[in-house]
Amino acid sequence: AQSVTQLGSHVSVSEGALVLLRCNYSSSVPPYLFWYVQYPNQGLQLLLKYTTGATLVKGINGFEAEFKKSETSFHLTKPSAHMSDAAEYFCAVSDYPQGGSEKLVFGKGTKLTVNP
Amino acid sequence: EAGVAQSPRYKIIEKRQSVAFWCNPISGHATLYWYQQILGQGPKLLIQFQNNGVVDDSQLPKDRFSAERLKGVDSTLKIQPAKLEDSAVYLCASSSSRKSVPNTDTQYFGPGTRLTVL
Repeated sequence: AQSVTQLGSHVSVSEGALVLLRCNYSSSVPPYLFWYVQYPNQGLQLLLKYTTGATLVKGINGFEAEFKKSETSFHLTKPSAHMSDAAEYFCAVSDYPQGGSEKLVFGKGTKLTVNP
Repeated sequence: EAGVAQSPRYKIIEKRQSVAFWCNPISGHATLYWYQQILGQGPKLLIQFQNNGVVDDSQLPKDRFSAERLKGVDSTLKIQPAKLEDSAVYLCASSSSRKSVPNTDTQYFGPGTRLTVL
């Protein structure tokens, strides 16, 4: 069974500072990995996903994440935080296609605060 | 392209009452998902449909929750009777899910329905 652990339920950074949100996963098959962002009172929006191939994945809004199999990690980074990045971020894993299910298993989320 | 639509956006009911949520997926998407997101937690899959058939309902509390997807398009999720612990945001998502085509497993989420049970 898959699982996701997001370290830190709240992260606070200053505008212009590096953003680092941590995600570790557990999966019995090579996983697909995702980062979603949720703004208040809105649904989830896909930031980026890793399937196969290049381990550094670039997403929208300047975010990127690196898949490290040896560390079972998929941390999300952005070099310079912007006020508009304040939101909740969710890491998710699926065992598609090897496991056959597109079901996403989510972490508990990390709320990012950006201070002026 | 229109996104996933859900209604209502907010619902407040008393415990033991019934409630229903509606979802209209992105046009042409074969797979539809209902997730429950309790405050402070990540979304949890309740049920997955492929066209109008159920693929996975292992985490659906079947004694009180039911869902259907007639004609393989719109879907409704019902709770009867509601309990206090059902207070959550109910998210609907859809994907086109064609295994031979890359990235068709990507799930697109609607805005959710926030349910408060008093």
